[in-house]
Amino acid sequence: EVQLVESGGGLVQPGRSLKLSCAASGFTFSNYYMAWVRQAPKKGLEWVATISTSGSRTYYPDSVKGRFTISRDNAKSSLYLQMNSLKSEDTATYYCARQINYGGPGWFAYWGQGTLVTVSS
Amino acid sequence: DVLMTQTPVSLPVSLGGQVSISCRSSQSLVHSDGNTYLHWYLQKPGQSPQLLIYRVSNRFSGVPDRFSGSGSGTDFTLKISRVEPEDLGVYYCLQSTHFPWTFGGGTKLELK
Repeated sequence: EVQLVESGGGLVQPGRSLKLSCAASGFTFSNYYMAWVRQAPKKGLEWVATISTSGSRTYYPDSVKGRFTISRDNAKSSLYLQMNSLKSEDTATYYCARQINYGGPGWFAYWGQGTLVTVSS
Repeated sequence: DVLMTQTPVSLPVSLGGQVSISCRSSQSLVHSDGNTYLHWYLQKPGQSPQLLIYRVSNRFSGVPDRFSGSGSGTDFTLKISRVEPEDLGVYYCLQSTHFPWTFGGGTKLELK
């Protein structure tokens, strides 16, 4: 059974940093692209970052590019999101997601339960 | 960015009934590889989103055949027949043809 367990969320002041982690199990982690997706309170979903199987390629929307960094440790079956220069609009539940890619663009097949990040002074 | 517009925003339904949700994109979702990367998700109350349909019309593992997806280009539809209580929640479409990947605003399926 695919399991994704996020951790590291919490209350952080604007301008500060936070690092999220996602522990994966139930599948061969190194074979899959992974991603982060967020959801602001009572709002819709927003894709935040994607990383290739080896970690050599990363993708971000403009809203977080230059501030957020996605990374992975295949030996530990773990995914990370380093978030710097946090803003109030980054307040959201952050979901770790396993992608499916059949050669072309992927999509999110499995999701974790999410970790809440609150950016406030 | 590709704008994904879902209608309606709210959709009252009777159990056992049939409903359709529309998702329209601001540009064609046909990828250069010939495939169309439009997917559907359901987020039940208090839960994470779950994949229902991928690439327009393919049901994900374990998804009942009451769910069906169709469409092409910029116009897509999710149909749910014989609605059951566990189908209630918010439905989202996602396009992954163009970066950045973008979601529709959501359609809340609720009981009449």
